[in-house]
Amino acid sequence: EDKVVQSPLSLVVHEGDTVTLNCSYEVTNFRSLLWYKQEKKAPTFLFMLTSSGIEKKSGRLSSILDKKELFSILNITATQTGDSAVYLCAVPRFQGAQKLVFGQGTRLTINP
Amino acid sequence: EPEVTQTPSHQVTQMGQEVILRCVPISNHLYFYWYRQILGQKVEFLVSFYNNEISEKSEIFDDQFSVERPDGSNFTLKIRSTKLEDSAMYFCASTLTGDFYEQYFGPGTRLTVT
Repeated sequence: EDKVVQSPLSLVVHEGDTVTLNCSYEVTNFRSLLWYKQEKKAPTFLFMLTSSGIEKKSGRLSSILDKKELFSILNITATQTGDSAVYLCAVPRFQGAQKLVFGQGTRLTINP
Repeated sequence: EPEVTQTPSHQVTQMGQEVILRCVPISNHLYFYWYRQILGQKVEFLVSFYNNEISEKSEIFDDQFSVERPDGSNFTLKIRSTKLEDSAMYFCASTLTGDFYEQYFGPGTRLTVT
């Protein structure tokens, strides 16, 4: 059975701290891994990772994939209160069309 | 920037009633999806739709559920006889291709079954 596991489930830090969120996966025919940010409603897309060792970066957020060890990390540096959200990791599973298999999410709270 | 839209944002219904949740995917996208998220739980796949037919459905998507693309823009999820356990946030998503392309999610419809 396909599995995506995120850790920690919850994290509380102070503004300015750096955080690392983890996602491990076991998925047949792996092709890519996606990170989403979910604030109040819809998940919004952050990154898609397909190749090992190549960092994707957007501002203070970055992410990297390790296809040998089957995990990805999402780093956020110099956190701000606006980074408070649930961060979701998802892996597409292909059977005709892709469906996303989501992890439980990491609830990140940034305190001022 | 194009976005997926969903209506209504919140629907309250009585057990046993039929509900239709509506979505307008991004206009040039070809693959459409419904997911649901029960409060405090994971986002779960319900169904994918391509070329006017279901391409995959989960175990959750039983005979009470159906999807339709009645015209060139709308994509609907119908629940024929709602149960208490259908209470959840329902997200519509769309993507351009079936591979290596991120899915864009709508804002969701919160369905409350009483």
